[in-house]
Amino acid sequence: NAGVTQTPKFRILKIGQSMTLQCTQDMNHNYMYWYRQDPGMGLKLIYYSVGAGITDKGEVPNGYNVSRSTTEDFPLRLELAAPSQTSVYFCASRGQRNEQYFGPGTRLTVT
Amino acid sequence: EDQVTQSPEALRLQEGESSSLNCSYTVSGLRGLFWYRQDPGKGPEFLFTLYSAGEEKEKERLKATLTKKESFLHITAPKPEDSATYLCAVQAMRGSARQLTFGSGTQLTVLP
Repeated sequence: NAGVTQTPKFRILKIGQSMTLQCTQDMNHNYMYWYRQDPGMGLKLIYYSVGAGITDKGEVPNGYNVSRSTTEDFPLRLELAAPSQTSVYFCASRGQRNEQYFGPGTRLTVT
Repeated sequence: EDQVTQSPEALRLQEGESSSLNCSYTVSGLRGLFWYRQDPGKGPEFLFTLYSAGEEKEKERLKATLTKKESFLHITAPKPEDSATYLCAVQAMRGSARQLTFGSGTQLTVLP
């Protein structure tokens, strides 16, 4: 199993551009999550999904959108990128005992 | 609001020098407390889940313990490869999302 994979690993965006961060898991997990991690801070939940077709906002959803058309994929969309969205983004899926498995992250810089 | 505070922010140990990391939490009904290890440039890696006060879990040189207000990650005779950031997170009973609230982590450096 590859677990949770994310692409791209790195990206530089100009202010106002848009992009989609990809996340795929091969563990057949229903629950998936998007977090952002800023230096010296804990991970903050952006959006989550409890299954295909069902998504909901987390703690810091502004400026982001998600979709979940399949169990495997949970892309995160950034519209009109702002410098405040410079961060490292992690996707995770939840196992049967509530533990979460994380992808390797996408490091995004908005300039 | 759920809160997790980890201390110290950073810890430097000599190889073989045992120590403990602290995770203090407030949550309205604890479903579980989780410990993760995060290496530079990588995603967090799951270590332990603790569910109730008095519970202990062990893995190699690591042992996690839980009380009603805090958790400790004890590191016995650490090696340089134990160097990483250790994250603590809590999961509340309420809500269907089972989301985690994370602390900001303890950055551990073990010197040879």
